[in-house]
Amino acid sequence: QSVLTQPPSVSAAPGQKVTISCSGSSSNIGNNYVSWYQQLPGTAPKLLIYDNNKRPSGIPDRFSGSKSGTSATLGITGLQTGDEADYYCGTWDSSLSALVFGGGTKLTVL
Amino acid sequence: QVQLVESGGGVVQPGGSLRLSCAASGFTFSSYGMHWVRQAPGKGLEWVAFIRYDGSNKYYADSVKGRFTISRDNSKNTLYLQMNSLRAEDTAVYYCAKDHGIVLALDYWGQGTLVTVSS
Repeated sequence: QSVLTQPPSVSAAPGQKVTISCSGSSSNIGNNYVSWYQQLPGTAPKLLIYDNNKRPSGIPDRFSGSKSGTSATLGITGLQTGDEADYYCGTWDSSLSALVFGGGTKLTVL
Repeated sequence: QVQLVESGGGVVQPGGSLRLSCAASGFTFSSYGMHWVRQAPGKGLEWVAFIRYDGSNKYYADSVKGRFTISRDNSKNTLYLQMNSLRAEDTAVYYCAKDHGIVLALDYWGQGTLVTVSS
């Protein structure tokens, strides 16, 4: 049981938009920065979003992040088949003194 | 370019020990905190431990506290994870990752090393 809650799966057609939610509490998302990671099949995770909504260099602006209260959202527009991956949210939990991840969301581009 | 290369994984019996290493290059290792994250087969990411840039503070997941020790040698640009009293549930791919430094985020990851705990 993860501290952060994500939907197990989402799907959408190529070219469409999808959002992935990440729900937490005041001890984690509510008072700390959220980051998002993409894990393509068989590879190591890669940072997509940090500081709630900032993209590292090289990450296309099709990927966006937002945070409101104790929830965060990853948005992906102009979906491509290459976006099929597992997506994880992560943040620090001040009560646990630990970094916590969501359970992950599998994106299928139909 | 940033490179993180893990080594030291393998098969170990329950109750045994293993030490993982992570060789870092392409950035000033001594200026950044470092993490270990693991992923059991077919499962999600689980954060294991974090060490500050100078080794002054260390944090652990409850699942490994008292059994695992994170450390670093800044003169060798190397991160370590000493794993003792290993259990079957510790079986996973172990990744080392560099901390962003300004905000808590893991901006570069190694390719991972597989640890299998089995008799």
